[in-house]
Formats: sequence, C-alpha cells, structure tokens
Amino acid sequence: EIVLTQSPATLSLSPGEGATLSCRASQSVSSYLAWYQQKPGQAPRLLIYGASNRATGIPARFSGSGSGTDFTLTISSLEPEDFGVYYCQQWSNWPPSYSFGQGTKLEIK
Amino acid sequence: EVQLVESGGGLVHPGGSLRLSCAASGFTFSNYEMNWVRQAPGKGLEWVSYITATGATVYYADSVRGRFTFSRDNAKNSLYLQMSSLRAEDTAVYYCARADRTGFVFEHWGRGILVTVSS
Repeated sequence: EIVLTQSPATLSLSPGEGATLSCRASQSVSSYLAWYQQKPGQAPRLLIYGASNRATGIPARFSGSGSGTDFTLTISSLEPEDFGVYYCQQWSNWPPSYSFGQGTKLEIK
Repeated sequence: EVQLVESGGGLVHPGGSLRLSCAASGFTFSNYEMNWVRQAPGKGLEWVSYITATGATVYYADSVRGRFTFSRDNAKNSLYLQMSSLRAEDTAVYYCARADRTGFVFEHWGRGILVTVSS
C-alpha cells in the first residue's frame, strides 16, 4: 500500500503571500497524483491532476509539480477564498486502490 | 451540469445495515467509473470503493471489503452502497464521486451524506 505524507500539517499565511504544500509518496506513483481543496462543510474540489494539470476552472495561481515520490502544490498569491484543507491523492494499479494524504490546513495568519 | 446526490444516510446501531444511493445527472452516466469516498468527523478523506462503467468490476478498501457491496443501475443513473456489519469507525460523511476519463482522479463530487453508527 502506498502511503502519502503531506507537509506541513498547518500553514499560516496572509493573503497575497505564496504557499508551497508538499506531498511525498512511500514509493513511486509516476505522475498519478492529484490535489484537492476542501472548505468546511463542502465536498472536496479537484485542483490538479496528473501532477501538473489544472482541472477545469481552476485559476492559474494554482500549479502542481513533481513526479515519482515528491510533489508540490504551489499557490502563487493567496486569495481569501484559498484557505481550507488541501489533500493529495494517488492511484495505484496493484492492488487497485486510491489513497489520500492526511491533509494540509492552509489558514489565515 | 454534473450533479451527484446522495441519500439513505442516518443513524444505525453497530452490527446493523444501511443502503446508500447516489443519483447522477448532467452526464452520460454509463460512460464513467464511479467511487465512494468517506470522511470521518474531523478527519481526512478515505477511498471506499470503485466500480467500472458497466458495473462488471468493483474494488474495495481493506477496511470495508466483505462488509460493503457497491453496485450501479445504468438504466436509472444510480449507484448503491449496501453496508452491513457496521462499526462505529464507519461513522462518516459518504461522498459519491465521478472519476475523470482516465479513472485516476475524482473529478466531480456529491455533497455527501452522513452515516452515524452508534448504540
């Protein structure tokens, strides 16, 4: 089973600042890595798929990078609506399964 | 617009059963793989189960295998999650989620439905 570890657990930043969130896999996931944003009381929203591709409607300030075991989600200049919890997610073909990281909470400083 | 609406949640005693449903609209349901993902109160996301577009193949997380059954009715644009031998640790918001064309990510999510397992 592939384990995803996200860091930091909490990130406190101000609007306008840049944010860097990390996700490390216990073994290579190639580029089968996605990022989601979740706000309180809401379902998660897909941000990035294939490690670096923005989903439909996602602003350009969100970008993803990495391959293999180390991945990064970068938000270039934080907007007030960007605060929430961010999860990374991977797919593996054997055993067929998906898993999520434990999440990074991005909070207003 | 893609819409996924879960129903059937509620309070159930440990050892009991419950069936969740998910009604899909706004896309050609029979073309897409689907999933259930859950989130315990105050916790992170946990993938539960996956089903192919035809319903012929289903995968489960170890935590629910043998207790949950995932099925779909493409004529009714609906998903079903039959949950039995429920435990306190199954308490969570359950989301149905549509995969993207690759099947690797969860592109669209329902609002979720709460299942509480408690005596």
